[in-house]
Amino acid sequence: DGGITQSPKYLFRKEGQNVTLSCEQNLNHDAMYWYRQDPGQGLRLIYYSQIVNDFQKGDIAEGYSVSREKKESFPLTVTSAQKNPTAFYLCASSIARDTTLSYNEQFFGPGTRLTVL
Amino acid sequence: AQSVTQLDSHVSVSEGTPVLLRCNYSSSYSPSLFWYVQHPNKGLQLLLKYTSAATLVKGINGFEAEFKKSETSFHLTKPSAHMSDAAEYFCVTSGTYKYIFGTGTRLKVLA
Repeated sequence: DGGITQSPKYLFRKEGQNVTLSCEQNLNHDAMYWYRQDPGQGLRLIYYSQIVNDFQKGDIAEGYSVSREKKESFPLTVTSAQKNPTAFYLCASSIARDTTLSYNEQFFGPGTRLTVL
Repeated sequence: AQSVTQLDSHVSVSEGTPVLLRCNYSSSYSPSLFWYVQHPNKGLQLLLKYTSAATLVKGINGFEAEFKKSETSFHLTKPSAHMSDAAEYFCVTSGTYKYIFGTGTRLKVLA
């Protein structure tokens, strides 16, 4: 089965702790994305990567870091600098690096719910 | 710059009645447009996408959307709502290297 997996499903973080969310895809997609979702606010882009060993900041990158060492993996680290990390985190991937005129949709993982204790 | 606007944050319908979720877009060229559905605590699932091949697009679960260039709209419809349609729906377009999301419409289906 092709798809995107995220783990863990639920994650709890203590104050001052870094945590890493996993995202893996076996769709052979070039592009991968991380979004944060808060109640009533839709999806906000944290980071995206068009190709291995390259990534760009999205709209709310402060307090987060990523790596893209392998095509199929795009882990997100929520650092202690992120003051309000409680949210639902979604990972996605798509075929095309340049989405303009591509008509290629994103495929989403099931999400990770992060809660700060 | 590309953008999408979902005109209603909440929509309530009775089971068996039609559904209309509204989305307007802004684009300097022929856009790619998508509708996604999200059930609580789940990821997003693609319902349908506009690829310029046809203005009326049929998707999964009986949903369809019509691309109207003159009105810059891409509204999502379904003839008869089912309880399982209760969810949040997102209209999305693509920009350069990333996607642009609407703020979402929460659909409530009343028994």
